[in-house]
Amino acid sequence: DGGITQSPKYLFRKEGQNVTLSCEQNLNHDAMYWYRQDPGQGLRLIYYSQIVNDFQKGDIAEGYSVSREKKESFPLTVTSAQKNPTAFYLCASSIVRTGVISGANVLTFGAGSRLTVL
Amino acid sequence: AQSVTQLDSQVPVFEEAPVELRCNYSSSVSVYLFWYVQYPNQGLQLLLKYLSGSTLVESINGFEAEFNKSQTSFHLRKPSVHISDTAEYFCAVTHFGNEKLTFGTGTRLTIIP
Repeated sequence: DGGITQSPKYLFRKEGQNVTLSCEQNLNHDAMYWYRQDPGQGLRLIYYSQIVNDFQKGDIAEGYSVSREKKESFPLTVTSAQKNPTAFYLCASSIVRTGVISGANVLTFGAGSRLTVL
Repeated sequence: AQSVTQLDSQVPVFEEAPVELRCNYSSSVSVYLFWYVQYPNQGLQLLLKYLSGSTLVESINGFEAEFNKSQTSFHLRKPSVHISDTAEYFCAVTHFGNEKLTFGTGTRLTIIP
């Protein structure tokens, strides 16, 4: 079955350590996204990529980095510069709609990775 | 700039009662609107969407939402809820040519047996 796989599901990190969250999709989607979810704040966009080797900052990119070397993969690194990294991280992908419905991308989400900083 | 407001953070409803989850958006251009559902400890799933055409859109599990341009709303309704509808519901908005989807803060729907 096609879908998005995020790993690990749970991750604990000490302050000052970088950590990388994995996101792999076999849906042949061009676009991939990383969101952060905090209680009462909904989902906030960290980074997104519409094509291999290209990505753009979202609304809260500070303290995070990404790469898009393969269409299927979009790993997120939470660096030590991220002041409050404890959160639930969601990866998503979509086809890129063009023409008269450009922008109307329907996102498929992974099951999420919960990061806790000790 | 676009934004979404979900005024109700939590909505408790008795089983088999109707429910309405409110969503208001702000955008200076024509919008695309979505409702996503998140079951406990899972990712989000698309529930329904409005892109164009009929202002009333329906999902396969009995939910419906109506796009109201004059009131800038996209409220989600179900005439009779079930225990399995317990989840968090997110409204989201984007517009033509914009790859970034903006989510509301979510409404937690709790069904009381």
